[in-house]
Amino acid sequence: EPEVTQTPSHQVTQMGQEVILRCVPISNHLYFYWYRQILGQKVEFLVSFYNNEISEKSEIFDDQFSVERPDGSNFTLKIRSTKLEDSAMYFCASLAENYNEQFFGPGTRLTVL
Amino acid sequence: DAKTTQPPSMDCAEGRAANLPCNHSTISGNEYVYWYRQIHSQGPQYIIHGLKNNETNEMASLIITEDRKSSTLILPHATLRDTAVYYCIVRTVIQGAQKLVFGQGTRLTINP
Repeated sequence: EPEVTQTPSHQVTQMGQEVILRCVPISNHLYFYWYRQILGQKVEFLVSFYNNEISEKSEIFDDQFSVERPDGSNFTLKIRSTKLEDSAMYFCASLAENYNEQFFGPGTRLTVL
Repeated sequence: DAKTTQPPSMDCAEGRAANLPCNHSTISGNEYVYWYRQIHSQGPQYIIHGLKNNETNEMASLIITEDRKSSTLILPHATLRDTAVYYCIVRTVIQGAQKLVFGQGTRLTINP
């Protein structure tokens, strides 16, 4: 069964460093998303991406964040200068056109020291 | 999107049916009811969705009241692997803007 994959599974970084979280969505999907979940809190929407551009973003997704689909398979989330409060699980999701079910990846645990 | 209310936690015995309620009294006519679950620290997993008719798939059944103000997710024969946080989400399906807004959900514990 096709699945969304994410790398790395755990990333540890120093405050102020740049990180890139990578996702490989399901191959025929057209909509892509990033969500995050701070430990013990609810899952929060960050950004959605369609047709090579951002279709919606939340207040959390400020100028420190960017997304990119550099080739036909990868979907990345970059945090330019990490802060302690960026420590969270980051989930990528994808969706096929005309379907309702978002498929989530296993997540990347980001720890900012 | 309409707000939902779920109990924070529930317990169920293994092998029994787990019935998870959700209130969505402000739901509007074009909003669907979705259920997702999150097994400890994993990515959320889609379970089922419906508009006004009851729905069933291989994972669960969804019962929506006639006035659509509440619904119940039914796991017919719960197993230990069904222990998870279950999220009821009400949303309009808008092409290209299908973000999910998660609440706190119901933490379901299946006991042996």
